[in-house]
Amino acid sequence: RKEVEQDPGPFNVPEGATVAFNCTYSNSASQSFFWYRQDCRKEPKLLMSVYSSGNEDGRFTAQLNRASQYISLLIRDSKLSDSATYLCVVNWDAGGTSYGKLTFGQGTILTVHP
Amino acid sequence: GAVVSQHPSRVICKSGTSVKIECRSLDFQATTMFWYRQFPKQSLMLMATSNEGSKATYEQGVEKDKFLINHASLTLSTLTVTSAHPEDSSFYICSALTSGVSYEQYFGPGTRLTVT
Repeated sequence: RKEVEQDPGPFNVPEGATVAFNCTYSNSASQSFFWYRQDCRKEPKLLMSVYSSGNEDGRFTAQLNRASQYISLLIRDSKLSDSATYLCVVNWDAGGTSYGKLTFGQGTILTVHP
Repeated sequence: GAVVSQHPSRVICKSGTSVKIECRSLDFQATTMFWYRQFPKQSLMLMATSNEGSKATYEQGVEKDKFLINHASLTLSTLTVTSAHPEDSSFYICSALTSGVSYEQYFGPGTRLTVT
């Protein structure tokens, strides 16, 4: 079983649509959770951290369910510029050399069309 | 957000040669940097953790003698791919860890290596 699992998609949605991505992680000791976006042939960019209480940043809402080991990202009012690969990323600090190590999901591809 | 640079952005080399990639944190100090590799249509895979002033920690299956990492200062880590082969062709990305509570990492723009 993959440590971080995402539906690879692709998701094709019209502008203005609401789209949701899901992610599950296997390590119950995971401590920090993030969503990154990666454009084609570019580096990942941090979209938002995910907190236990859920958090929102403009059109983006992230939720965390520790009991189910599940993370979600909701994008409202999709824009053409939202087209990218969305990466679910998890960190667990096993101490020592594991400090700060991130584990990436395989990414979910989103295409927003006019 | 924090800025991380990488150099070169793209390099083509012949089999058997070595290539050095630099990763710099421009506006913050990074005790820890990470090196990733990404093959087409795959996600990032961590290769090694680079700690300033100490030896790098390599992930399982990554040859430390082939991928030499040096983190000589708080703003610079280098990855040298030695005796490169075509199968080493990939997108190499570094990241730097900011100090803080939630392990936020900022990524360099990546280096696309092609070995012919």
